[in-house]
Amino acid sequence: QQQVKQSPQSLIVQKGGISIINCAYENTAFDYFPWYQQFPGKGPALLIAIRPDVSEKKEGRFTISFNKSAKQFSLHIMDSQPGDSATYFCAALSNFGNEKLTFGTGTRLTIIP
Amino acid sequence: DVKVTQSSRYLVKRTGEKVFLECVQDMDHENMFWYRQDPGLGLRLIYFSYDVKMKEKGDIPEGYSVSREKKERFSLILESASTNQTSMYLCASRNQGGSYEQYFGPGTRLTVT
Repeated sequence: QQQVKQSPQSLIVQKGGISIINCAYENTAFDYFPWYQQFPGKGPALLIAIRPDVSEKKEGRFTISFNKSAKQFSLHIMDSQPGDSATYFCAALSNFGNEKLTFGTGTRLTIIP
Repeated sequence: DVKVTQSSRYLVKRTGEKVFLECVQDMDHENMFWYRQDPGLGLRLIYFSYDVKMKEKGDIPEGYSVSREKKERFSLILESASTNQTSMYLCASRNQGGSYEQYFGPGTRLTVT
């Protein structure tokens, strides 16, 4: 049962371009939506996170856009750089119950010069 | 600096062997997690622990067990390894009551032959 659907599975973007990764969820009890970044040989690390009371959160070149009514959220990477090449996971967490993170399936992003 | 370490980066075991994966965190975190990561499936939660000697099943606990005798250490046990348990295993920890951020170790690539 995939509660967080992520797309695309892989993405190639030219240096300087905008990378966009999308996620959709079903469980309306989710109220915390982080994005994790994973480089080869490393564990995932928190990149940026948002709560549903705001529609957008920006940290440097990274922005989360959140659409509560559509149950969708996305990660935008502006001015993409080769150093951004990594696998990105969206996730969702519900405050009710045991606060488990449910992860999307991941997007392998490659930034080409 | 936050640190989660895993006992092995690479492990090769034979079918039917008992396998122990060890995880240690130095942040005095209450919560610890074991995930497996497979291409196209993302991160799936196997087991987690709220505190010493406490454990709860995640989404895919079958074939696994865990042990948490000390706060800093969380072990994943494969009672009788099978080829379908060949995967990347990731440990994470989190400060309960703090932010929802999970801190991941570098992972153990387990191959069962």
